[in-house]
Amino acid sequence: GQQVMQIPQYQHVQEGEDFTTYCNSSTTLSNIQWYKQRPGGHPVFLIQLVKSGEVKKQKRLTFQFGEAKKNSSLHITATQTTDVGTYFCAGEASDGWGKLQFGAGTQVVVTP
Amino acid sequence: EAGVVQSPRYKIIEKKQPVAFWCNPISGHNTLYWYLQNLGQGPELLIRYENEEAVDDSQLPKDRFSAERLKGVDSTLKIQPAELGDSAVYLCASSFLGGFGYTFGSGTRLTVV
Repeated sequence: GQQVMQIPQYQHVQEGEDFTTYCNSSTTLSNIQWYKQRPGGHPVFLIQLVKSGEVKKQKRLTFQFGEAKKNSSLHITATQTTDVGTYFCAGEASDGWGKLQFGAGTQVVVTP
Repeated sequence: EAGVVQSPRYKIIEKKQPVAFWCNPISGHNTLYWYLQNLGQGPELLIRYENEEAVDDSQLPKDRFSAERLKGVDSTLKIQPAELGDSAVYLCASSFLGGFGYTFGSGTRLTVV
């Protein structure tokens, strides 16, 4: 079945630094979504990417969908303590009938 | 607008006991999901409803889990009997069919002792 893998599992970042987390799917996706979950909280929708090669920005966050629609990345610039949390990607397979498969997430820890 | 409302927030039960979780989705969202999240893992789909119909329950352990969505609005997820391995966070989410992104509730943290 469809698998969604995220790397790295953990990311320790110094405040002010940039980092990137990656998401790879075993199957071609119709779309990919990103969610953020704060410690003790629930996943909160960030963005959805649909088109091959699509790039979207939200302030310091840049999201990219791969040309083959099988991978995605999230790049955060000038990391702040408010960026702490776990970032999940979730992909809907092209033949997935609306089923969203979540990755295991990248847990981000920010050091002041 | 109110978000997805779940109750209870926390539940501790002894193994072999029954337990039920309730979810009220965002008004107008016709698609409702129940997810299970273990510590350090991503959410895993248990069941998806479109209106009153369960369109994907392939991951629901039907020997002990059941769910219903009355009148296409509120939903209840039940476990009977609960096992130690059922300890997890149970998340409810809703969305418009074909819409962008899911809205999750705060979840119910279940501890089976």
